Order: sequence, then structure tokens, then C-alpha cells
Amino acid sequence: DSGVTQTPKHLITATGQRVTLRCSPRSGDLSVYWYQQSLDQGLQFLIQYYNGEERAKGNILERFSAQQFPDLHSELNLSSLELGDSALYFCASSAPLPKGTGELFFGEGSRLTVL
Amino acid sequence: AQSVTQPDIHITVSEGASLELRCNYSYGATPYLFWYVQSPGQGLQLLLKYFSGDTLVQGIKGFEAEFKRSQSSFNLRKPSVHWSDAAEYFCAGAGYGGSQGNLIFGKGTKLSVKP
Repeated sequence: DSGVTQTPKHLITATGQRVTLRCSPRSGDLSVYWYQQSLDQGLQFLIQYYNGEERAKGNILERFSAQQFPDLHSELNLSSLELGDSALYFCASSAPLPKGTGELFFGEGSRLTVL
Repeated sequence: AQSVTQPDIHITVSEGASLELRCNYSYGATPYLFWYVQSPGQGLQLLLKYFSGDTLVQGIKGFEAEFKRSQSSFNLRKPSVHWSDAAEYFCAGAGYGGSQGNLIFGKGTKLSVKP
């Protein structure tokens, strides 16, 4: 158990819909990261938040957005869903340097299926 | 551009045999390097990491990896594979000049273990 909690574990929805994925980081971790894992693209970094502020952005579509709340949990919002958005979405957290060592702790993922 | 390459998509070894999974990186400077393992339906678990210093790194579950700057490689090894090692293995790198934890992952190597 990594200490990172993601909900829901599975989600099935239709094209054009909107979903929200939720992540609770490990206790004390200020950074939250979102990754997308698909068969064709592999693991891709989407976005990072640190203590409520966006810190880095990767290959995140404009239809996707995220935020980190004061209690440090994070939500990834996916809208106008397309078939190609079907993937496993991981959340990870890490302790801030220098206390942390850069290691990411991953949740078990939310599997999104778009029909 | 920064990249991490895992040349082998799928490897099959016999139980008890030795294992080496290849990883090559392309970064402007020496990156922080990681190996993660993903069992089916699970999140990613860190096996080991290299930041600096000793180029032979020991990890969990009997794994080790060797950083070779001259070959831009960070190969994962295990002297004797167990059936429970069957999983997918990901090499990842991060350049810490900017965002901590913005890991770039290789495509992964799926390990199958023959009895």
C-alpha cells in the first residue's frame, strides 16, 4: 500500500461526457502528479501540483484540467470524452526536497473506459 | 529531447535464471534514474533509484541496477528470477533542474517467467 488513494477504480462512460477522478496523496506529501497510461502512448506525465499550485504541465489536453485543494487532495477533470481517452489514470505523490528523494508513490489508478 | 528507452518489449526467462532488463536514457546532464514494477491491476512500485555516487544500486526484491554513463544505460538485473517477478518493468528518468518528479518513462518491458 503506497498510501496514495484514487477513486473510482473503474469508470465506464460515453463519448462527450465529463468525469472527475480523485486522488488523496500520502500524508505529508505536498506534490501530486497525474499520469495517463495507455497501450499506444505508454505512461505519460499530465500535470503536477505543489501545495495547491500548478507546478508543471506535460502532455495534458485542453479538455482535461486538474486542481489541488487546500487539504491537498487533487481532482482530474476530463471533459468531452473521446474513445481515445480510455486509459488508466495514475496519481502519484512525493515528499518535497530535500526531505524527499524524488521518489514518486503511485496510487492503483483509475481505469476509464469510454464507449 | 529527454527520453528513456527500453529496447525490449517482452522478455521470457526461466525461473531461477538470471535477468537483465535494458534501459537507455538521453538527457543533457546525468538524470535521476528509477526502476518501477507494475503487477497486473496494480500501481507502480519503486524498485530502486540512482541519484549520484555508487553506480551499482541495490533495490528491493533482490534487484540491482548499474548506471553506466559511457553507455547512457541503467540496466536492471536479478541473479535468480522467481515466478512472482512476472510483471511489467518501467525505467524512468527525471532531470531535476526544474520540476521534481516530472518523470519520463520508458515504454516498459513485460517479463514472463517460465516454470
